[in-house]
Amino acid sequence: GQQLNQSPQSMFIQEGEDVSMNCTSSSIFNTWLWYKQDPGEGPVLLIALYKAGELTSNGRLTAQFGITRKDSFLNISASIPSDVGIYFCAGQYSGGGADGLTFGKGTHLIIQP
Amino acid sequence: GAVVSQHPSWVICKSGTSVKIECRSLDFQATTMFWYRQFPKQSLMLMATSNEGSKATYEQGVEKDKFLINHASLTLSTLTVTSAHPEDSSFYICSALTSGSYTDTQYFGPGTRLTVL
Repeated sequence: GQQLNQSPQSMFIQEGEDVSMNCTSSSIFNTWLWYKQDPGEGPVLLIALYKAGELTSNGRLTAQFGITRKDSFLNISASIPSDVGIYFCAGQYSGGGADGLTFGKGTHLIIQP
Repeated sequence: GAVVSQHPSWVICKSGTSVKIECRSLDFQATTMFWYRQFPKQSLMLMATSNEGSKATYEQGVEKDKFLINHASLTLSTLTVTSAHPEDSSFYICSALTSGSYTDTQYFGPGTRLTVL
């Protein structure tokens, strides 16, 4: 199946810095989702986007659904140690949610002390 | 709300044996559940869609006779890896679909680590 192009693959930042990551696709998705996965655990939903152009925030996290429906970005402001982990974007073709998700390859966020 | 559990959390088995993994939605009913597989340092790949009361739908390249899925109730789906081999060693994660007033959302279980010796 298709995979999403997620970048960067990894990020090494200082605590307090802002973070930005994005995903692109060659085809249209009707739903974009961002998940965080800690080692040995399942992904946890951070933000869900359902409309093209939608900008949604969840605390220090902000994500946008691209107008073309082929991309999305996630920003994290003022990073803290617990932000460490792997962030995945995921796209879904159906707006109703009955399809499985197509995941990006992940962005590994590492915060240096 | 929207809690999904998996059992077991990890399992080690000998090559050739079968292993059953359970996925339960604890506080909601899910007519649709999904099974994903994740190899080390890689992304999640959809294996199959599990529908309550009907046959599962498998993604291309996933052997339906090897990965048996049974969605017996609105809160339980099981994945059985039959005649497991070392190459089946992976992290298996399920998700359950919850319906909202606006749209549906998938919530993931904590995963099951399978190691085949």
